[in-house]
Order: sequence, then C-alpha cells, then structure tokens
Amino acid sequence: GAGVSQTPSNKVTEKGKYVELRCDPISGHTALYWYRQSLGQGPEFLIYFQGTGAADDSGLPNDRFFAVRPEGSVSTLKIQRTERGDSAVYLCASSLGGGAETQYFGPGTRLLVL
Amino acid sequence: GNSVTQMEGPVTLSEEAFLTINCTYTATGYPSLFWYVQYPGEGLQLLLKATKADDKGSNKGFEATYRKETTSFHLEKGSVQVSDSAVYFCALKVTGGGNKLTFGTGTQLKVEL
Repeated sequence: GAGVSQTPSNKVTEKGKYVELRCDPISGHTALYWYRQSLGQGPEFLIYFQGTGAADDSGLPNDRFFAVRPEGSVSTLKIQRTERGDSAVYLCASSLGGGAETQYFGPGTRLLVL
Repeated sequence: GNSVTQMEGPVTLSEEAFLTINCTYTATGYPSLFWYVQYPGEGLQLLLKATKADDKGSNKGFEATYRKETTSFHLEKGSVQVSDSAVYFCALKVTGGGNKLTFGTGTQLKVEL
C-alpha cells in the first residue's frame, strides 16, 4: 500500500512569510508524528497526534509553530513569521496506534527560508 | 532527559569489511531501541529494533544487541556491500514517554569497491 506522503517536497519562502506543510499518513494509522531534521543532525520531535488530538506537543519550539489534524488523517504543520533558523527538513511519520513500536516516515519537506 | 550518542562519521569501508557503528544511550525510563537507515534520496526506514535487555534485533545482515549494563546498542554487519552506503541513525523510545523517538546525530557509511 501507499506509504506516508508529504507535500510539497521542497518549499522556498522569504523571512516573515507563513507556510503550511502537509502530511498524508498511511491509511488506518491513528498516530501521526512531526519531526524536524537540521543539516547534519538527527530528527527532533515536534508533535504527536493520537487521532485528532495533539497528545504531546512538547517539541514545538515556540508559538509560531502549530499543527492540526482535524479529521484524524491528514495533518498540516503551520509556521508563522518564518525565520532563517526554521530552514530544515520536516519529517512526518505515522504508526498503527499510539503504542505501536514502528513509525513509518515520509520523504520529508525541505524548507528553505531566505 | 533522554539522549543518544553515536560515533561520528563518515565511516569509509571496503566492500566485505566488518562494520561496527557505536551507539550509547541515556534514558529516564526503560527504552526500546532502534536503528533507522536513510539511503541517498530516500526517507528514513526502520532497519531493526529491540524492546528489552539482551534482545538482538536483526535485518538484512545487520545486528544489534540491547545491552542494559553498558547502555549500548551497537550496529554490526559482518560483510558490507556498496549498497549499504547510507546514513544510520540510532534512536530510543521510552515507554510512557509519549511515543516520541529520540535520535542520535547519524553516522554516514560509505562502502567502496
């Protein structure tokens, strides 16, 4: 079946602009995760959804970052007033349930803030 | 807090050489341990995992043993191939820790003919 998909694959924006990044999880997966990977680093956790609700948003760096999953499937990560330091690859992952061990990752969205 | 430390890369080996990538961890709870691999141009894929002490995870000729006494989960392969060239990430997840993965910084492996 189809894996996790993310759009766009690349996004270039200017400092101060608003961006939205989309994630389509594997069908039937109730858990969805966002991570951010800076160059030369491992992915860092941002937020975890179980169904429609954010079960853990402790990794969001500040209030410019927000994510939603209104119908328990597709999720959107929203970044307001982007800064150059937000440039990174944003990864989405999904798993069958909240306690399931294996998270399946999408290809990521590469965000560049000029 | 929770953290993962991996040996720095890049690691360059000749084909059929033995591979070890070191990984140690610090965790406040009792973690599950993972190795993920990222091939060039592709997304992160789970390579293997172990959920309790002394468990050995294995896949595609790679192995790693969960060592609680040394808080380690070193990745090994007896004979690497050019197709194993990738970035390898060690990660942990603590039960009751919100299901988030904590990753190391990654180790790039280059295998040459």
